[in-house]
Amino acid sequence: NAGVMQNPRHLVRRRGQEARLRCSPMKGHSHVYWYRQLPEEGLKFMVYLQKENIIDESGMPKERFSAEFPKEGPSILRIQQVVRGDSAAYFCASSGIQGGNTFGSGTRLTVV
Amino acid sequence: QQQVKQSPQSLIVQKGGISIINCAYENTAFDYFPWYQQFPGKGPALLIAIRPDVSEKKEGRFTISFNKSAKQFSLHIMDSQPGDSATYFCAASRGTGANNLFFGTGTRLTVIP
Repeated sequence: NAGVMQNPRHLVRRRGQEARLRCSPMKGHSHVYWYRQLPEEGLKFMVYLQKENIIDESGMPKERFSAEFPKEGPSILRIQQVVRGDSAAYFCASSGIQGGNTFGSGTRLTVV
Repeated sequence: QQQVKQSPQSLIVQKGGISIINCAYENTAFDYFPWYQQFPGKGPALLIAIRPDVSEKKEGRFTISFNKSAKQFSLHIMDSQPGDSATYFCAASRGTGANNLFFGTGTRLTVIP
């Protein structure tokens, strides 16, 4: 039973490019959460999705960031026109109906 | 605004010693207090969690102490081992949904042999 799968593990983008981060939840989990971890800081909630629905995006920056969780396939966190300040580790967590959040190993985004 | 304050930032403990990490919160609506363990290059893993209706919860060498009136909770690691060396995060939420989790800034624990 594979855990939460995130890819890529490491992503390097030049300023102005787009970054796409993928998250496949645990089997049977229909809730996905994205978190961002800046260096030397704790994780900060970004967005909560269920299949084809954004439930809570209160932690998402207003511009350049978007997320989706389509009916088929992984959840995608998209960052357009990346800037140096977007460099961080992005973690995805998933849970089932009864709760119990499991985190993936994260994607480390470096903007050069 | 940091909803959950965690200290110390780093901690060095001798093997066999007790590691103590402290957290404080302000929002009295929080009713779920988990601790996460994170190894380098990995995601956080749930270690132990407590609800405010009890003052202590123990699982093996790990104990959470909870003081509702002071709005503080702490993690105690008894008989600390080098394999416990990791970063520990406390968190708090209203309910168990991960969209409500507020994390502390983390404590980097090093257990020396």
